[in-house]
Amino acid sequence: DAGVTQSPTHLIKTRGQQVTLRCSPKSGHDTVSWYQQALGQGPQFIFQYYEEEERQRGNFPDRFSGHQFPNYSSELNVNALLLGDSALYLCASSYYGLSTDTQYFGPGTRLTVL
Amino acid sequence: QKEVEQNSGPLSVPEGAIASLNCTYSDRGSQSFFWYRQYSGKSPELIMSIYSNGDKEDGRFTAQLNKASQYVSLLIRDSQPSDSATYLCAVHPPMNTGFQKLVFGTGTRLLVSP
Repeated sequence: DAGVTQSPTHLIKTRGQQVTLRCSPKSGHDTVSWYQQALGQGPQFIFQYYEEEERQRGNFPDRFSGHQFPNYSSELNVNALLLGDSALYLCASSYYGLSTDTQYFGPGTRLTVL
Repeated sequence: QKEVEQNSGPLSVPEGAIASLNCTYSDRGSQSFFWYRQYSGKSPELIMSIYSNGDKEDGRFTAQLNKASQYVSLLIRDSQPSDSATYLCAVHPPMNTGFQKLVFGTGTRLLVSP
């Protein structure tokens, strides 16, 4: 049973650049959520996708955008990168039909902005 | 007031002892509660979920929930050095849409000494 996968593992960018991170959900899951985890902090919710639509969004600027594809995989795009965007970006998948909606995390993408 | 609060630690316990990790949450309508373990440089791994008042046991782990006191705890019996990690408490705040996001505390760092 394939778990949640993310790519790339690590990424180094410079300020002002744009980045795309990718996520494939766990087999059988249809909902993808993205989180940002700064060093020493808990993950912060960015947004969530279901049926190719953004269903809810956390307190992040419009520079953060996303997409979900028909196969349930998802992308997170960040434009005009700032130093403060350096963090571990986590993708979590779940199945919308379950009321408990347990989320399982991928290995994460470590983004460093110089 | 933070939505989910945890003592950042570190909590130091000797091998074989019981480690007790605590978490409080602010939104009384929260329904689902989760404990994740995160090793340094890795992504969060789900340990326990709990939805009803009382205790829930799984191997060496016991989660305890008291909704009246808005308090969740995790007990780890017979602690092992391999349990040394950061433990994240996460909550589903009440939502009207049916879609759930996780709100995390900052995590408690546990150190188990041989």
